[in-house]
Amino acid sequence: DTEVTQTPKHLVMGMTNKKSLKCEQHMGHRAMYWYKQKAKKPPELMFVYSYEKLSINESVPSRFSPECPNSSLLNLHLHALQPEDSALYLCASSPGGGGNTIYFGEGSWLTVV
Amino acid sequence: GQNIDQPTEMTATEGAIVQINCTYQTSGFNGLFWYQQHAGEAPTFLSYNVLDGLEEKGRFSSFLSRSKGYSYLLLKELQMKDSASYLCAKAAGNKLTFGGGTRVLVKP
Repeated sequence: DTEVTQTPKHLVMGMTNKKSLKCEQHMGHRAMYWYKQKAKKPPELMFVYSYEKLSINESVPSRFSPECPNSSLLNLHLHALQPEDSALYLCASSPGGGGNTIYFGEGSWLTVV
Repeated sequence: GQNIDQPTEMTATEGAIVQINCTYQTSGFNGLFWYQQHAGEAPTFLSYNVLDGLEEKGRFSSFLSRSKGYSYLLLKELQMKDSASYLCAKAAGNKLTFGGGTRVLVKP
């Protein structure tokens, strides 16, 4: 079972709202990721957690705040977003270590109004 | 950057063969992935090459030359459902960086 589950599938939020995207995997993977994808563009890496510790932050603005409560869960807390942050947010996981296959969830469509 | 390059768009006829090329910088290389992404959906894993040579999986095959920083994805016996974007991605440690994607349009 190679399943990464993301909720919600769709989210509309105002620029003053605080919301969270959630991601869960039960494959025993030790690396989890957040990617952002705009229309007709490839996914862009935002954050990588390895063994529940933040290992990569691709200079993401602080209005995006990741959290890894345990090895199965990954959250992305959103606050004071801008309309240009509207995109598909993809969570992914991999067993850990370099070069392992990365499996994506179905994504959360975010619209900031 | 990783300079991962692939053609923007390709068109082919149902039943034909299409080859999507991908070039990348060889530094820090751990592996080369291909993903398929239909419009409005998440990427789905197609193949992973870490050693030189051809890996065949049904109608899809992927080739890698590490010394040349070159890979291709070969789609055979094209079907209408193969119309999608195909993303080449280079793995360096825990980091996966995507090329711009190749939109393949399959025509009847």
